[in-house]
Amino acid sequence: EPEVTQTPSHQVTQMGQEVILRCVPISNHLYFYWYRQILGQKVEFLVSFYNNEISEKSEIFDDQFSVERPDGSNFTLKIRSTKLEDSAMYFCASRAGQGNYGYTFGSGTRLTVV
Amino acid sequence: TQLLEQSPQFLSIQEGENLTVYCNSSSVFSSLQWYRQEPGEGPVLLVTVVTGGEVKKLKRLTFQFGDARKDSSLHITAAQPGDTGLYLCAGAGGYQKVTFGIGTKLQVIP
Repeated sequence: EPEVTQTPSHQVTQMGQEVILRCVPISNHLYFYWYRQILGQKVEFLVSFYNNEISEKSEIFDDQFSVERPDGSNFTLKIRSTKLEDSAMYFCASRAGQGNYGYTFGSGTRLTVV
Repeated sequence: TQLLEQSPQFLSIQEGENLTVYCNSSSVFSSLQWYRQEPGEGPVLLVTVVTGGEVKKLKRLTFQFGDARKDSSLHITAAQPGDTGLYLCAGAGGYQKVTFGIGTKLQVIP
């Protein structure tokens, strides 16, 4: 069964450092997403990406965050200057199209900012 | 902001019992999805319900979408220890993001 692959599975970084989280969505999917989940809290929407541009973003997704699809297969989330409160599980998701397609989530990257 | 309330948040039952968990909102959703999440893993899609009043069955799991498309329920028959996990509902209001509830943490005791 096709999978969404995320790397690394764990990342520890110093406050103020830049991190890049990587995702390989399912190959024929068109819509890509980043969500995050702080320990014990809801899964929260960060950003959606379609046709090589951001289509929607949440209040969480401020100027410190950016996304890229550099080569047609990878989908990355960059946090420029990490803060302690950025510590969370970050999930990448993709889906085939609009409408009522379900999302396929990756296994997540656990980011710990120290 | 669309909010999804899930209840109960925690449920511990004996193997073989039946259970129902609920997902409620004041907003109308174009579709509603149920996911199951294991610790340290991403949510895994179980089902998408689209039509008001729709009922879908997945083995011992029965999902229902409310007539007004604001609420949903998940019923598990004869729960097994393998059903233990976090059950999330997520509503799609538009064609992009989904909004997740906090989840129901289910523990099935052998």
